[in-house]
Amino acid sequence: GQNIDQPTEMTATEGAIVQINCTYQTSGFNGLFWYQQHAGEAPTFLSYNVLDGLEEKGRFSSFLSRSKGYSYLLLKELQMKDSASYLCAVMDSNYQLIWGAGTKLIIKP
Amino acid sequence: NAGVTQTPKFRVLKTGQSMTLLCAQDMNHEYMYWYRQDPGMGLRLIHYSVGEGTTAKGEVPDGYNVSRLKKQNFLLGLESAAPSQTSVYFCASSYERVHTGELFFGEGSRLTVL
Repeated sequence: GQNIDQPTEMTATEGAIVQINCTYQTSGFNGLFWYQQHAGEAPTFLSYNVLDGLEEKGRFSSFLSRSKGYSYLLLKELQMKDSASYLCAVMDSNYQLIWGAGTKLIIKP
Repeated sequence: NAGVTQTPKFRVLKTGQSMTLLCAQDMNHEYMYWYRQDPGMGLRLIHYSVGEGTTAKGEVPDGYNVSRLKKQNFLLGLESAAPSQTSVYFCASSYERVHTGELFFGEGSRLTVL
């Protein structure tokens, strides 16, 4: 079967750096997405990776290793507004998105 | 810009009742999707549409029907609601089949079936 694994919850301190991991086992691979979802709100797009390596976008970076079936989202200079759930999703060979359950990130002052 | 709008935002139903969720997008997107989100689980695709007049089943289509009579609207119907359909429903749209582009989500519709 197809599976996306990410930690259920993480806690970090304001101003620090946090890395949220995502491992996947899917039938084929056509890209990996990260979305942010604040409580009670819609998911919003953060990043897309299809080639190995690091993609940087401001305070957020996303890394992909296709051979290891692994990605991480790196958040720097954490702010209280970064408290949210972070969803990892992989597009399989049929171009269907398979979603992880999300990682709830709690930022403490 | 309104983006993707869902109505209603909240609804409580009794088992066996029917209802329709409406999704409207003003971005001229071809593709539209209905997802459900349940605690501890990833988003699961119910049905999707690749253009006006077309619909297709997703991962969990049973108990739901959809229609896409106009390009900007995608309706999700529950003919006979069951407690297992208690969930948060998200509509999304995309310009293409999410090859590299992003999904644009509505704010969600929280449905409780008693």
